[in-house]
Amino acid sequence: AQTVTQSQPEMSVQEAETVTLSCTYDTSESNYYLFWYKQPPSRQMILVIRQEAYKQQNATENRFSVNFQKAAKSFSLKISDSQLGDTAMYFCAFSRDNYGQNFVFGPGTRLSVLP
Amino acid sequence: SAVISQKPSRDICQRGTSLTIQCQVDSQVTMMFWYRQQPGQSLTLIATANQGSEATYESGFVIDKFPISRPNLTFSTLTVSNMSPEDSSIYLCSAQGSGNTIYFGEGSWLTVV
Repeated sequence: AQTVTQSQPEMSVQEAETVTLSCTYDTSESNYYLFWYKQPPSRQMILVIRQEAYKQQNATENRFSVNFQKAAKSFSLKISDSQLGDTAMYFCAFSRDNYGQNFVFGPGTRLSVLP
Repeated sequence: SAVISQKPSRDICQRGTSLTIQCQVDSQVTMMFWYRQQPGQSLTLIATANQGSEATYESGFVIDKFPISRPNLTFSTLTVSNMSPEDSSIYLCSAQGSGNTIYFGEGSWLTVV
């Protein structure tokens, strides 16, 4: 069975600075998908970024980028120029496919951006 | 993108009663899912809602406790039956939207007293 671990229950960062959230996973699959979701206090889960395991290039979305290390089974999220609106729970997730089946979520990291 | 609406957004329920949560998507989607998020915890998949057939439940979840309907490609319901305080959670509906992206509703926060 797949497992997803986020070793940082809580983190904080000053506004405009950079922060990296860690995620490791365990799987025997060779191809899979990794995701970072953000859940602000409104509870709406929002997709931040997605990585396909067969792609070597790290995904980027504006201020958000990932460091995907397939051999190490590591998938960290870097947030640059942190903004107050980035304050949220961040969940790392694994899926064997791109269709939402078999989603496994990590325990989450609570990020606070401080003014 | 897909916009997902859930009702109710929040409810307080009496022990032993049942509550049905509705999930409406603004476009036709193939896959719909129901998750539970217990207080302070991560999301756990309850089941995949299949259109025109019985839902596919994950280990630890059964149809008698969490009956699910999916009458068409835009709508699903989850019923939490014979509720106990342990069922107090956020229940989230999700769906596969365009570009194979998974979208979530805002969740339904149930408190059982």
